[in-house]
Amino acid sequence: SSELTQDPAVSVALGQTVRITCQGDSLRKFFASWYQQKPRRAPVLVISAENSRPSGIPDRFSGSSSGTTASLIITAVQAEDEADYYCNSRDSSGVVFGGGTKLTVL
Amino acid sequence: QVQLQESGPGLVKPSETLSLTCTVSGDSITNNKKYWAWIRQPPGQGLEWLASIYYSGNTFYNPSLKSRVTISVDTSKNQFSLKVTSVTAADTADYYCARQEVLDSYYFDSWGQGALVTVSS
Repeated sequence: SSELTQDPAVSVALGQTVRITCQGDSLRKFFASWYQQKPRRAPVLVISAENSRPSGIPDRFSGSSSGTTASLIITAVQAEDEADYYCNSRDSSGVVFGGGTKLTVL
Repeated sequence: QVQLQESGPGLVKPSETLSLTCTVSGDSITNNKKYWAWIRQPPGQGLEWLASIYYSGNTFYNPSLKSRVTISVDTSKNQFSLKVTSVTAADTADYYCARQEVLDSYYFDSWGQGALVTVSS
């Protein structure tokens, strides 16, 4: 099956903008979705199908893609955005997740 | 508001079978726009998709685990279940059930709180 690659860790200053990336061949054909996971909690969908925000997700979260790279963009980062972020997509076998990115807010 | 709740033993012995059930409320498991899925997360590690099922019984599995994993659905109880055979310590993880979109990108829009399963003698 295909893989999705994420940077293990990213840091951003409070109030700034951060881009978290996800790379994989399957992204040429299928959209990426993004999840936020805080310690000892279940993941929460923040972006579905490239750039749709579920109800209740702040509009500072957005998604984009180009070729084999999908991005989660968080503008005006808040302290509560510190979390692990995972991308996922579809591949020929079913479903694949990225390894996750730990976002630290400075 | 859909809710999913995992249930099952929290401790399983090596070589035995892990069994979990997910009870769905606030949505029908016969929703023709959704799959129902299991995902796990070993301690300190990332997410791993295990299997998905449609209410009709159609299934698809993570190829790396397909020989040991079975997913099933009980529409009368609005539940679906997971079995993992021949478990080892590597199967110790938080196990999540989730509702999954059937269209293009297969995203998971609702998750259970998770159930920690420890494999140990």
